[in-house]
Amino acid sequence: ILNVEQSPQSLHVQEGDSTNFTCSFPSSNFYALHWYRWETAKSPEALFVMTLNGDEKKKGRISATLNTKEGYSYLYIKGSQPEDSATYLCAFSPRGYSGAGSYQLTFGKGTKLSVIP
Amino acid sequence: GAVVSQHPSWVICKSGTSVKIECRSLDFQATTMFWYRQFPKQSLMLMATSNEGSKATYEQGVEKDKFLINHASLTLSTLTVTSAHPEDSSFYICSASAGRVGPNQPQHFGDGTRLSIL
Repeated sequence: ILNVEQSPQSLHVQEGDSTNFTCSFPSSNFYALHWYRWETAKSPEALFVMTLNGDEKKKGRISATLNTKEGYSYLYIKGSQPEDSATYLCAFSPRGYSGAGSYQLTFGKGTKLSVIP
Repeated sequence: GAVVSQHPSWVICKSGTSVKIECRSLDFQATTMFWYRQFPKQSLMLMATSNEGSKATYEQGVEKDKFLINHASLTLSTLTVTSAHPEDSSFYICSASAGRVGPNQPQHFGDGTRLSIL
């Protein structure tokens, strides 16, 4: 059973603060790591898909880093805004026996971010 | 682009009823769609992978006769919960990949369906 852990479970920050949270995943048989943002009453929105150790991706004020050797990814939000309030999910795709990646994404429980105006 | 529509968004029905949930890709073709289930305070759990024109692949522990999946076209997959019971009450959500399907491609999700069985 693959274990994907996200921390913290929830956090509250003031508008303008920068914040970050963690996704931990198995370091063996890594293929890809996904990040999604899930706002209440909406569908999860893809933020990043990362595959290479040391990868860093950026989308506006949001960025993510990846360490496949130690099995973690950080998501950073710079200057949080109320519209950033959402649950942030990460999902792990392992490498199968054939060497190809698995479609079977294993999700963490998410980090719920609330940005206080 | 890459919009996925899921219907209905909320269902309340009596025990023993069968419920059909539709998942449509509106502006792209999806040869593969995925069905997830989420119980309160738990993570999204993959139930099955739906392939256009062929049988779905179910995850371990998911009853294929209970959760019927049909992917008859490149834009529509349906999940039917047959003879639903209260323990089937959950949040069901579908996703699809646009273009080349692969685990390094992002998935595009519907809004989900909250199913409550009385």
